[in-house]
Amino acid sequence: DQQVKQNSPSLSVQEGRISILNCDYTNSMFDYFLWYKKYPAEGPTFLISISSIKDKNEDGRFTVFLNKSAKHLSLHIVPSQPGDSAVYFCAASAGANSKLTFGKGITLSVRP
Amino acid sequence: SQTIHQWPATLVQPVGSPLSLECTVEGTSNPNLYWYRQAAGRGLQLLFYSVGIGQISSEVPQNLSASRPQDRQFILSSKKLLLSDSGFYLCAWSTGTGGRPQHFGDGTRLSIL
Repeated sequence: DQQVKQNSPSLSVQEGRISILNCDYTNSMFDYFLWYKKYPAEGPTFLISISSIKDKNEDGRFTVFLNKSAKHLSLHIVPSQPGDSAVYFCAASAGANSKLTFGKGITLSVRP
Repeated sequence: SQTIHQWPATLVQPVGSPLSLECTVEGTSNPNLYWYRQAAGRGLQLLFYSVGIGQISSEVPQNLSASRPQDRQFILSSKKLLLSDSGFYLCAWSTGTGGRPQHFGDGTRLSIL
């Protein structure tokens, strides 16, 4: 049972445009959500997170939106840059337990 | 600042051989430590986590084991590797609880022949 789903395996965007990466979850106990970025042959790097008490968190070019009723979150990158090309993982955790459940990831390609 | 080290970066092992992957964290005390595996075309699967020395929780039944002999050292082992053990193994650490971000090492690419 996949509790965190990233249904699109890939996304291609023109440089300077907005990238929107989507993530859905099924476990209503999840209350903390994170996005990680991963380059080939490297470990994931933490990007941004959001608590369930918020519906938006912004950090520079990155904004995460959370829609609890739809059990959906999204990562917006604007403007997109070629260096943003990587695999992006959505992850979630429940309560005081810091274990993370990850989605399968989405490969973002930003075209110059 | 905190850093996490994993080694080796790549490893090729024959089926049936033993395995030992090591992970150490610097710059923090009593971290939570985690081992993940990323199989080809799949997401990150949590294998083990530890909240303290000698405390190991296993998430999935498998051919692997983990140990935490020191506060900032986490070891992933196997007595006999299977072909299905191939993958990208990642160690991570976090402070406290409540979903604080986990920070990952650069991983070990394990190939079983």
